[in-house]
Amino acid sequence: GAGVSQTPSNKVTEKGKYVELRCDPISGHTALYWYRQSLGQGPEFLIYFQGTGAADDSGLPNDRFFAVRPEGSVSTLKIQRTERGDSAVYLCASSFGPINEQFFGPGTRLTVL
Amino acid sequence: SQQGEEDPQALSIQEGENATMNCSYKTSINNLQWYRQNSGRGLVHLILIRSNEREKHSGRLRVTLDTSKKSSSLLITASRAADTASYFCATVSRAAGNKLTFGGGTRVLVKP
Repeated sequence: GAGVSQTPSNKVTEKGKYVELRCDPISGHTALYWYRQSLGQGPEFLIYFQGTGAADDSGLPNDRFFAVRPEGSVSTLKIQRTERGDSAVYLCASSFGPINEQFFGPGTRLTVL
Repeated sequence: SQQGEEDPQALSIQEGENATMNCSYKTSINNLQWYRQNSGRGLVHLILIRSNEREKHSGRLRVTLDTSKKSSSLLITASRAADTASYFCATVSRAAGNKLTFGGGTRVLVKP
């Protein structure tokens, strides 16, 4: 079956602009996660959804970052007033539940100029 | 913050040799998972080992877990050039809200 998909695969933007990154989880997976990975580092947790609600948003670095999952399936990560330090690969994953194996998408590489 | 720390940070071996990497963590865990990542993009799940398990096998992969030492190891036997990738351990713990907490990874190069 189809895996987790993320769009766009690459996004280049200018400092100060607004960006949206989309994640389509595996059908039937109730849990959805966003991670951010900088070059040479492991992924860092941003936010976790169980269904439509954000069960844990403790990893969001500041209030410029926001994510939604209005119908419990597709999720959008929104970044306002982007900064050069936001440049990273943003990874999305989904699973049947919080302690189960997570299936990752290919990521969106965000570059802020 | 990252809970797991992998050792070594980088590993270079010849095809056919075994590769071993270790992961240490700080808090009590529910389970520990190993992932592989090629070219800095999507991660592929390899093995999940629960806190009450000590060893698991999957094909050429062997994972051990020592909860008393808060450490795990991943062994890849008879390595192939296609095993060249970064390998990450990730823990799931109630203290961390049951989300994956990754280490910094081990970059493995298998030379043909």
